[in-house]
Amino acid sequence: EPEVTQTPSHQVTQMGQEVILRCVPISNHLYFYWYRQILGQKVEFLVSFYNNEISEKSEIFDDQFSVERPDGSNFTLKIRSTKLEDSAMYFCASGSRGRGYTFGSGTRLTVV
Amino acid sequence: GEDVEQSLFLSVREGDSSVINCTYTDSSSTYLYWYKQEPGAGLQLLTYIFSNMDMKQDQRLTVLLNKKDKHLSLRIADTQTGDSAIYFCAENYGGSQGNLIFGKGTKLSVKP
Repeated sequence: EPEVTQTPSHQVTQMGQEVILRCVPISNHLYFYWYRQILGQKVEFLVSFYNNEISEKSEIFDDQFSVERPDGSNFTLKIRSTKLEDSAMYFCASGSRGRGYTFGSGTRLTVV
Repeated sequence: GEDVEQSLFLSVREGDSSVINCTYTDSSSTYLYWYKQEPGAGLQLLTYIFSNMDMKQDQRLTVLLNKKDKHLSLRIADTQTGDSAIYFCAENYGGSQGNLIFGKGTKLSVKP
């Protein structure tokens, strides 16, 4: 069964450093998403991406965040200057119209 | 704002049926989803239901939707210890490929 692949599975970074989280969505999907889950809290929407541009973003997705689809297969989330409160599990998801979204297994980001 | 509510815990005995309930607020949601999260793992799509349906059955899983009351339930028949996990209800906010609003998750514990 097709999967959404995320790397790395765990990233530790120092406060103020830039991190890039990587995702390979399912190949025939057109919609791409990033969500995050702070420990013990709800899964929260960050951003959706369609047709090579951001289609929607939440209040969490401020200027520190950016997304990119640098080639036909990867979808990345960059956090420019990480803060302690960015520590969370970050999930990538992809979907096609009218179907369920498939999530990756997540990247656990720890900011120290 | 839009919200999805679930009870936080459910404990059942192996072989019994489990029923996990969820209420949501966005009446324009076109799809409602159930995801399963095992410890340390990602979000696994279990099933989803289109908003013009009132029931969907998939093997041991039965989803019931009461659109008037904005109530969704997931019934797991013959619950097994391997079903122990956190179950998230989600609605797609604004319909179609809108972002997902998740509940806090219901932790299902299955006792032998």
